[in-house]
Amino acid sequence: AQSVTQLDSQVPVFEEAPVELRCNYSSSVSVYLFWYVQYPNQGLQLLLKYLSGSTLVKGINGFEAEFNKSQTSFHLRKPSVHISDTAEYFCAVGGSARQLTFGSGTQLTVLP
Amino acid sequence: KAGVTQTPRYLIKTRGQQVTLSCSPISGHRSVSWYQQTPGQGLQFLFEYFSETQRNKGNFPGRFSGRQFSNSRSEMNVSTLELGDSALYLCASSLISQHEQFFGPGTRLTVL
Repeated sequence: AQSVTQLDSQVPVFEEAPVELRCNYSSSVSVYLFWYVQYPNQGLQLLLKYLSGSTLVKGINGFEAEFNKSQTSFHLRKPSVHISDTAEYFCAVGGSARQLTFGSGTQLTVLP
Repeated sequence: KAGVTQTPRYLIKTRGQQVTLSCSPISGHRSVSWYQQTPGQGLQFLFEYFSETQRNKGNFPGRFSGRQFSNSRSEMNVSTLELGDSALYLCASSLISQHEQFFGPGTRLTVL
């Protein structure tokens, strides 16, 4: 069985400050890891993915994440946030079956 | 390339009724998955279809069913609606050769 824990349900941060959204997962098999963003009244947009290879992955909108197998983590980072980054962020894990297990989400609020 | 489309976007039903939701995947994507999103339970996997066959099913009662057509479009049906079925239902499509899933805007179902 797979599970995902997003340690922070809400993260407020000032504009132009850096941010890190934390994600830990558990799985007994090799996994694929994803971060999605959801804006109000919209679906999920894929930010970035880790499938294999380099543990530092870059995504859209200046986001990046680092896969750490020993700590079973996949934290999302951005060096400088904008007001438009305010949204809910979901970490997800997938395996060989096309079934994603999501974390409970982190609401990122960027303050002016 | 057009994204995943879902119809209708909003739906209001009463307890005991049934409902059918529709999803058109990205052109060329043959795998379609469905997820339920609620404030209490978060994002949960319902089922996945590929080549008109259900390949995976989440932990939902038999009132939740789906199907896929030869053009990869998919429908999900919920019979005997309950208040707890009120949720955002998200459809996602993917290429069978890839692991990332692309989501539609969702159908917001309200059960009164």
